[in-house]
Amino acid sequence: DIQMTQSPSSLSASVGDRVTITCRASQSISSYLNWYQQKPGKAPKLLIYAASSLQSGVPSRFSGSGSGTDFTLTISSLQPEDFATYYCQQSYSTRTFGPGTKVDIK
Amino acid sequence: QVQLQESGPGLVKPSQTLSLTCTVSGGSITSGNYYWSWIRQPAGKGLEWIGRIYTSGSTNYNPSLKSRVTISVDTSKNQFSLKLSSVTAADTAVYYCASDTVVAARGKTYYYMDVWGKGTTVTVSS
Repeated sequence: DIQMTQSPSSLSASVGDRVTITCRASQSISSYLNWYQQKPGKAPKLLIYAASSLQSGVPSRFSGSGSGTDFTLTISSLQPEDFATYYCQQSYSTRTFGPGTKVDIK
Repeated sequence: QVQLQESGPGLVKPSQTLSLTCTVSGGSITSGNYYWSWIRQPAGKGLEWIGRIYTSGSTNYNPSLKSRVTISVDTSKNQFSLKLSSVTAADTAVYYCASDTVVAARGKTYYYMDVWGKGTTVTVSS
């Protein structure tokens, strides 16, 4: 199985901050990496697919990069509605999710 | 736009079989660009992918659950289903169904789960 790790596990930030979340795969997954946002009591929402492709309707302040084993999700200017938990997920083989990164208000 | 809705018992006794159904509306389950997945999330914890099915009946399962999981599809009802046998308290979770969309980009075939149901809570308890 491919294991996914994320760092940090949580972070505190202010509105307007630039936020970066890192995801690492236990083996190369090329660009088969998706990012999701989840708010309490809600289903996850797709933000980024194929490591760097922005899902339709997702604000351009979200961006993804990376390939191989190391990936990054960046929020260029954090907005109030962005406080949530973020998960990476590999689609290279049997699907696995990262453990999540909780972004809360500083 | 496709919408998904999970349904099934909210309480299952230990050692019994958990059965859930996901109804697809706003589109056909036989559309060639989708697999259909189940994912679960214990309270306060992360997401765990359970498995997926294509309308041909082809399935992929999480190896850690494979011995207990069966996913099936009923194209006449536009539904797909999950059965998880021999449940324990560790199977208590919110269960989501999702569409696993297939897209070609940059010379490769990518998959992502872009439409999710709202989730249904299943508690395993006697």
